[in-house]
Amino acid sequence: ETGVTQTPRHLVMGMTNKKSLKCEQHLGHNAMYWYKQSAKKPLELMFVYSLEERVENNSVPSRFSPECPNSSHLFLHLHTLQPEDSALYLCASSRATGGHEKLFFGSGTQLSVL
Amino acid sequence: EDQVTQSPEALRLQEGESSSLNCSYTVSGLRGLFWYRQDPGKGPEFLFTLYSAGEEKEKERLKATLTKKESFLHITAPKPEDSATYLCAVAGTASKLTFGTGTRLQVTL
Repeated sequence: ETGVTQTPRHLVMGMTNKKSLKCEQHLGHNAMYWYKQSAKKPLELMFVYSLEERVENNSVPSRFSPECPNSSHLFLHLHTLQPEDSALYLCASSRATGGHEKLFFGSGTQLSVL
Repeated sequence: EDQVTQSPEALRLQEGESSSLNCSYTVSGLRGLFWYRQDPGKGPEFLFTLYSAGEEKEKERLKATLTKKESFLHITAPKPEDSATYLCAVAGTASKLTFGTGTRLQVTL
């Protein structure tokens, strides 16, 4: 148990569906992240939040919409996805942002877009 | 742009057969080099942070070392439970974390 919980673990959705991924951290951290992990590719940073404020958005398509209502919860709202969006989506947290902080990851949501 | 290259892509060892994983990097102003372990169906789990050339850290059968251009993760007398994907990442002065694609390690009896 890493202290970071993601739901659901698996998600299959059609290209016209709308769904949300949820992440909760119980570590008292101030920073939360969404990463995308595709086969044979490096982890790809999508969004960074520090104390509920978005501090980084790495040119992610608008069909991915993050929400951070408080420092313990993070959502990723999905709509009109493409098959190439199929991947493992990982949530992580750290004490602070800065790149040099160690990250605590959840187990991820395995997303399949049909 | 920071870059991380890990080799080999995959490694198969017999139990007890020691080896090393390589992480070559280029970064503008190293603020930290990280090693993570990832088991199938799980997120990466932090192992080590190294901050400067010459630094070494150990945990059970794992030992991480750092030079100005690369890092090695040495695995001594591995066991089947050491089977996982090992990820390397660097953080530079831009405060951005750049990951490699990982080395998939399989340890057999």
